[in-house]
Amino acid sequence: GAVVSQHPSRVICKSGTSVKIECRSLDFQATTMFWYRQFPKKSLMLMATSNEGSKATYEQGVEKDKFLINHASLTLSTLTVTSAHPEDSSFYICSAPDLGWGTDTQYFGPGTRLTVL
Amino acid sequence: SQQGEEDPQALSIQEGENATMNCSYKTSINNLQWYRQNSGRGLVHLILIRSNEREKHSGRLRVTLDTSKKSSSLLITASRAADTASYFCATDLARGSYIPTFGRGTSLIVHP
Repeated sequence: GAVVSQHPSRVICKSGTSVKIECRSLDFQATTMFWYRQFPKKSLMLMATSNEGSKATYEQGVEKDKFLINHASLTLSTLTVTSAHPEDSSFYICSAPDLGWGTDTQYFGPGTRLTVL
Repeated sequence: SQQGEEDPQALSIQEGENATMNCSYKTSINNLQWYRQNSGRGLVHLILIRSNEREKHSGRLRVTLDTSKKSSSLLITASRAADTASYFCATDLARGSYIPTFGRGTSLIVHP
């Protein structure tokens, strides 16, 4: 099946630094990717929709200047957490729909655990 | 706001027993999907059921969908310790795009 990778899988950074998380579709092209945030024992909250070649669409309450999204190619989207603070610590997951087979199944990356000290 | 809500929030059973999880949603959907998440890991897609389907099987998994009640159930038969995970239902938003919206999940523990 389709595979989505994320890098890094785990990152620890100091408060005030910026962290970039990559999401790649390995064997299919994804014009759209989604970024989610998950708190411990909580649901996945959609943060934004990443669109190849255009600006990302952010969900209400998500600061676009805080969470920069760039969809540089058909297989890569990046999420940059700028000036990270401890409250940004979370599990970030990306997903991409593989529309090649006419299905609307989402494939998820393995997630990135961000810890801001 | 969340679309899907799973019930129960936690379920603890013995190996070999069946596990049933339910999901309720609020608005009309095109499809409903069930996912599994092991602790601290990404999501694995289990099964997709479309709004015009009532039941679907995949191995030990059986999913039902009742659009009149806006609910779905996931049944895992003959559970194994390896089935221990969190299970989420997700429905697509009525935006004409494939954006699943997740419930809070059911935490399943299968004791060996």
